Amino acid sequence: DAKTTQPTSMDCAEGRAANLPCNHSTISGNEYVYWYRQIHSQGPQYIIHGLKNNETNEMASLIITEDRKSSTLILPHATLRDTAVYYCIVRVASGGSYIPTFGRGTSLIVHP
Amino acid sequence: GAVVSQHPSWVICKSGTSVKIECRSLDFQATTMFWYRQFPKQSLMLMATSNEGSKATYEQGVEKDKFLINHASLTLSTLTVTSAHPEDSSFYICSARPLEGGGYYYEQYFGPGTRLTVT
Repeated sequence: DAKTTQPTSMDCAEGRAANLPCNHSTISGNEYVYWYRQIHSQGPQYIIHGLKNNETNEMASLIITEDRKSSTLILPHATLRDTAVYYCIVRVASGGSYIPTFGRGTSLIVHP
Repeated sequence: GAVVSQHPSWVICKSGTSVKIECRSLDFQATTMFWYRQFPKQSLMLMATSNEGSKATYEQGVEKDKFLINHASLTLSTLTVTSAHPEDSSFYICSARPLEGGGYYYEQYFGPGTRLTVT
């Protein structure tokens, strides 16, 4: 799996958009970008994933650059409950013998 | 759908005793389950990959005789920490991967974690 680089921490005001970047310059053509988050003392939660097109769901939007070397997770209206560690992972979408590994992620703090 | 449970959610045990943690996929079948360990302020570290009906594959540095994994059915995997010591105190998280063609797009679902404290 391609290595990812994320800022260690970020903060955001409640109600504003939180934009979390991720660099994955060695991503392969068949690797997807996945985002998970982990609220303190809980298991990771899936947020969104994409291959090359921008994606949106009820939780967030994912913007992937045209060269696919980086992406941004957008929480459009951050709330205090969005305070968590956000992990960006790149891996093949299905099957195979991939090993799901996590980097350090970005600790997002949403403040009032 | 795609819920993974863990039991217990927290446990306190004395040094030298063994502790069993269960991971269940509640509404899907999983041929593969993963066990992670997470120390405070650190990321998840993969310990082992558990495949139904076969021996688990352990990551480098993880003692297979200390962390016994059994994946006896398509919905249950157990992690037993044998002869636990205070340094084994950690947050243990499992995840499950559905059968191929199971229809779930995300392919890895996480349990809520088990907090183990060894005194």
